[in-house]
Amino acid sequence: GQQVMQIPQYQHVQEGEDFTTYCNSSTTLSNIQWYKQRPGGHPVFLIQLVKSGEVKKQKRLTFQFGEAKKNSSLHITATQTTDVGTYFCADGGSQGNLIFGKGTKLSVKP
Amino acid sequence: DGGITQSPKYLFRKEGQNVTLSCEQNLNHDAMYWYRQDPGQGLRLIYYSQIVNDFQKGDIAEGYSVSREKKESFPLTVTSAQKNPTAFYLCASSRTQGHGYTFGSGTRLTVV
Repeated sequence: GQQVMQIPQYQHVQEGEDFTTYCNSSTTLSNIQWYKQRPGGHPVFLIQLVKSGEVKKQKRLTFQFGEAKKNSSLHITATQTTDVGTYFCADGGSQGNLIFGKGTKLSVKP
Repeated sequence: DGGITQSPKYLFRKEGQNVTLSCEQNLNHDAMYWYRQDPGQGLRLIYYSQIVNDFQKGDIAEGYSVSREKKESFPLTVTSAQKNPTAFYLCASSRTQGHGYTFGSGTRLTVV
């Protein structure tokens, strides 16, 4: 079935460094959603991208949707310790239920 | 404040027992979902429901059952047929198809 591949699986950065996670699909994505899960917590919705080539920003976070709607990225500028967690992308799918990538676990060293 | 509530937070089950996980939302969302999360596996869909009295199997429905008798409630039963039930279970809801999900805080189930 439909799968979304997310890389890297883990990323360790020094505080202040940038961070990027990538989400790729072999088929066209309906829409892409991004979630953040803090350690011990539950996923929290960050954003949804719908249009080809769309770019959205939330403070230090920049989300992009590829022109072919087969890939997406989340970039964090100047990471902080509060950015620690696992970031998931998810494909909206044809029936409304999300198909999640396996996530990128970000750790930030102060 | 509106939200989605899962209970209990921790649950221990003996082998061969059925257990039911509660999920209640007061967001007036039509759609509700159950996901299972294992380390390194991401979130996998168990069951979902787009409307009251109707639900569909997800990718890993075997050994699980659900009901949707009320819009607000979507309980999940983990039956004895589920061979490896130890996991973190997350319930979610959304307004309609294509909208972001609101997740509950999860139930951590352990088989003892």
